[in-house]
Amino acid sequence: QVRLQESGPGLMKPSETLSLTCSVSTGSISTTDFYWVWMRQSPGKGLEWIGSMFLGETTYHNPSLRGRVTVSGDMSKDHFSLKLTSVTAADTAVYYCAIAAQSVLLYWGQGTLVIVSS
Amino acid sequence: QSLLTQPPSVSGTPGQKVTISCSENNSNIGFGTVTWYQQVPGTAPKVVMFPTGNRPSGVPDRISGSKSDTSASLAINALQSEDEAHYYCAIYDHGVNGWVFGGGTRLTVL
Repeated sequence: QVRLQESGPGLMKPSETLSLTCSVSTGSISTTDFYWVWMRQSPGKGLEWIGSMFLGETTYHNPSLRGRVTVSGDMSKDHFSLKLTSVTAADTAVYYCAIAAQSVLLYWGQGTLVIVSS
Repeated sequence: QSLLTQPPSVSGTPGQKVTISCSENNSNIGFGTVTWYQQVPGTAPKVVMFPTGNRPSGVPDRISGSKSDTSASLAINALQSEDEAHYYCAIYDHGVNGWVFGGGTRLTVL
């Protein structure tokens, strides 16, 4: 069974760089051809795609985040990471990592809350 | 980037049928990749309807999906209290190589 677990700082100050890690346990399922994805959900709001990585090399990010996003990963170690620079209060959200097959976000972590506050 | 529109809320009594709509503002995208997710507050979303119209294992056949070029719908028949959750439609936007989600619909079982 696929399990994902996010880890992160919890509380941050404005202008800092958010770093999150997703540990992936895939059991007998091979996920090497899947997208590794970061999503977020602001309090009381909807879901937003942040960025993703394919085959451990090609990365994509949401244009609305204006180049603040870096997604990286080490598939041999079964983890991938997110860096989001220059955070503001608007970046306060529950951050999820997920694994997608083609267009479907199949597996999700439980999410980690990140609060940006001075 | 595409924008998906859902009604903020729908409600029904046990046994009724409810339908949640999802429309899109960019007719060039289409709903070939539309997926429906259910989210119970405090938990992560989970897939309840694949783009193919199939359901993941464990999702009751009371839940069905339909789509056209510019819209999609999720129908829940024989409503049960366990169906109370937020429902999101999403598509994969090949223009940005990422996902676009609707704003979500809160389903209340009265």
